Amino acid sequence: EAEVAQSPRYKITEKSQAVAFWCDPISGHATLYWYRQILGQGPELLVQFQDESVVDDSQLPKDRFSAERLKGVDSTLKIQPAELGDSAMYLCASSFAGDAGELFFGEGSRLTVL
Amino acid sequence: GENVEQHPSTLSVQEGDSAVIKCTYSDSASNYFPWYKQELGKGPQLIIDIRSNVGEKKDQRIAVTLNKTAKHFSLHITETQPEDSAVYFCAASRGGYQKVTFGTGTKLQVIP
Repeated sequence: EAEVAQSPRYKITEKSQAVAFWCDPISGHATLYWYRQILGQGPELLVQFQDESVVDDSQLPKDRFSAERLKGVDSTLKIQPAELGDSAMYLCASSFAGDAGELFFGEGSRLTVL
Repeated sequence: GENVEQHPSTLSVQEGDSAVIKCTYSDSASNYFPWYKQELGKGPQLIIDIRSNVGEKKDQRIAVTLNKTAKHFSLHITETQPEDSAVYFCAASRGGYQKVTFGTGTKLQVIP
């Protein structure tokens, strides 16, 4: 069964350092999402791509976060510099067409900022 | 933007009993309402969804009801089993390429 791949699964870093997360969506899925999930809360959308274009990044803290999906396939989310409040699970999801259908989530990347 | 509220935050039931989780949404233009189950250490997984043109949908032991007038929808799990223990999230979207907004989650514990 096809899955959304994410790496690393766990990342511990010190504040002010740079960190990057990678996501490979299910083959053929045009829409890719990055969500942030703080412990005990629901996922919050950071950025949504349709192919290589950004559809929604209204909640992305652009002073420190960046995301790209250069060839419309895999994607990278970067944080620089990391802050203590960035500690969270970063979830990547993909969907076939983005038209209000099922989101397929990866297992996430757990970030701890010390 | 859309705001989704979910209750209760925790729910404990005896095995075999029913569980009900309720959500309200603020955007009257929302027309797609999925429910996701998240097990420990995993990403959320869709378990059932409903669109605004129907009021109820059922899939084996799971059912979802939608009241568009009141802007609330509910998840019903009957004959609960220990493997139903997880965190459940409701969500809402306007459809198309509009974002999916999640509720805060309900931790369900089924006691054997």
